[in-house]
Amino acid sequence: NAGVTQTPKFRILKIGQSMTLQCTQDMNHNYMYWYRQDPGMGLKLIYYSVGAGITDKGEVPNGYNVSRSTTEDFPLRLELAAPSQTSVYFCASSIGGALTMADEQFFGPGTRLTVL
Amino acid sequence: QKEVEQNSGPLSVPEGAIASLNCTYSDRGSQSFFWYRQYSGKSPELIMFIYSNGDKEDGRFTAQLNKASQYVSLLIRDSQPSDSATYLCAVAYFSGGYQKVTFGTGTKLQVIP
Repeated sequence: NAGVTQTPKFRILKIGQSMTLQCTQDMNHNYMYWYRQDPGMGLKLIYYSVGAGITDKGEVPNGYNVSRSTTEDFPLRLELAAPSQTSVYFCASSIGGALTMADEQFFGPGTRLTVL
Repeated sequence: QKEVEQNSGPLSVPEGAIASLNCTYSDRGSQSFFWYRQYSGKSPELIMFIYSNGDKEDGRFTAQLNKASQYVSLLIRDSQPSDSATYLCAVAYFSGGYQKVTFGTGTKLQVIP
């Protein structure tokens, strides 16, 4: 199993450009998440999904959009990039479900994004 | 807003000593508690989880949970330089039928050889 994969690993955007960060998991997990991590800071949840076709906002959703048409894929779309979106973006997945007390999140390697 | 508080550190301990990492949380309804380790430039990985009051041991790591005090800690015995990393506390609760997780900002641990 590859686990959680993310592309690209690095990207530089100009202000106002748009891009999609790709995330794929092959563990048949129900839940998927997008986080951003600024230098020296913790993880802030952008969006999450509890299953195909179901997404919801996290703590910092402004400037981002997501979709989840399949169990495996959870792309994150940045529209009109701004310098404030310079960060490392992590995608994660977990089994999910009400009966899971220890719902471990598995993280992808991250995408380092710079907006200039 | 569910809050999870950690001292950002750095916490410096000599090799072979016990490192004690602490975390407090605001929501009394929180049910599961996780410790993730994150090496510089890498993604977080799970070390331990705990959901019952008391201690849970796994090798050199011990997680301690006190729900009455809303406090969870991670002890690392016989600390090694390879333990130098940032440790993230994560707290899970159920809302609207779904489990949600809030991460703390992490404590940076430095183990001095």
